[in-house]
Amino acid sequence: ETGVTQTPRHLVMGMTNKKSLKCEQHLGHNAMYWYKQSAKKPLELMFVYSLEERVENNSVPSRFSPECPNSSHLFLHLHTLQPEDSALYLCASSQAAGQPQHFGDGTRLSIL
Amino acid sequence: GEDVEQSLFLSVREGDSSVINCTYTDSSSTYLYWYKQEPGAGLQLLTYIFSNMDMKQDQRLTVLLNKKDKHLSLRIADTQTGDSAIYFCAEIGNYGGATNKLIFGTGTLLAVQP
Repeated sequence: ETGVTQTPRHLVMGMTNKKSLKCEQHLGHNAMYWYKQSAKKPLELMFVYSLEERVENNSVPSRFSPECPNSSHLFLHLHTLQPEDSALYLCASSQAAGQPQHFGDGTRLSIL
Repeated sequence: GEDVEQSLFLSVREGDSSVINCTYTDSSSTYLYWYKQEPGAGLQLLTYIFSNMDMKQDQRLTVLLNKKDKHLSLRIADTQTGDSAIYFCAEIGNYGGATNKLIFGTGTLLAVQP
């Protein structure tokens, strides 16, 4: 139990679907992150939120839309995804940006 | 540019010591991390070292930092089959104005043979 919970654990969707990934942290942290992990590639930072404000958007396509309604919850809204978006999406949190990050178990996303 | 490099694979026998190596780029990194990822799971923070330290020991884990060579290593003593996983080195970098960005290596797959 890492204190960071991601749902769903697995998601299969078509390219025209709309879905959302959810992340919840129970650690009292103020910063949250979305990462993409693809086979044979380094972890890619997608978004960073600090105190519910987006502080980094790492050139991510607009078909990925993050939302941070409060410091405990982070969402990643997905629409019209491409097959190359199939990957493990990891959420992390830290006390503050730059502090050690704690990861959830990820959502394995498959685009048909 | 940002670059954290690790060897891809390491195989050891149970009971032996494992040493996983990492080189990084940003000399201004404040923290350097080791994460462990087991199959089907996310990344587990194993240990981290502050940049003004040379060594940190935590039970079976020893982290060595050589700032001059920008080299970080993780030694696992008495390696067990449960240590089989992918190990990621990461640094806190400040690249192109993006502060406090965690830069990961590609990971080292540790295989422990019984």
